[in-house]
Amino acid sequence: IAGITQAPTSQILAAGRRMTLRCTQDMRHNAMYWYRQDLGLGLRLIHYSNTAGTTGKGEVPDGYSVSRANTDDFPLTLASAVPSQTSVYFCASRKTSGSYFGEQFFGPGTRLTVL
Amino acid sequence: QKEVEQNSGPLSVPEGAIASLNCTYSDRVSQSFFWYRQYSGKSPELIMSIYSNGDKEDGRFTAQLNKASQYVSLLIRDSQPSDSATYLCAVNNNAGNMLTFGGGTRLMVKP
Repeated sequence: IAGITQAPTSQILAAGRRMTLRCTQDMRHNAMYWYRQDLGLGLRLIHYSNTAGTTGKGEVPDGYSVSRANTDDFPLTLASAVPSQTSVYFCASRKTSGSYFGEQFFGPGTRLTVL
Repeated sequence: QKEVEQNSGPLSVPEGAIASLNCTYSDRVSQSFFWYRQYSGKSPELIMSIYSNGDKEDGRFTAQLNKASQYVSLLIRDSQPSDSATYLCAVNNNAGNMLTFGGGTRLMVKP
């Protein structure tokens, strides 16, 4: 069982280019999330999906889009990358059940540099 | 005021001591609380979850929750140099569908 995989591990991208970060989980979790982590700013939520077919905006959604065509995959797309999107990106997933917020697990991350 | 607050540290403790990490949160309706450990250059790793007032123990880790005081803590007994990391506190939001993270406390365990 792999858990959550992300690809690529790292990427250097020219400004203005389009880029899709991939995230796949094999735990059949309903909810999935994309965060970015920057020094001094902590983890910030970009977009989320509570279940396949639905998505929502997080704290910092501008410049990013997501889709959730099925349970396992949650790609994050930068339509036209800018240097301020240089960051480490983490995908996460969570099984939703019961009245409590279930445990959320993170993928290994993608380190993105936009030049 | 931040929704989830942690002292950024670094918190320095000698090997074998108890490390005490603290977190306060602002949303009174929060029901679920988590502690993550993050090594430098790695992703956050879930180490504890707590949902009810009181203590929850797992090995050398004890999470403590006091909803009346809006306070959650993590105790690490017999601290080891390998415990040196940043510890993130996370609390579910009032809508219940996402976590809010604190800025993290950097822990340094000195041999």
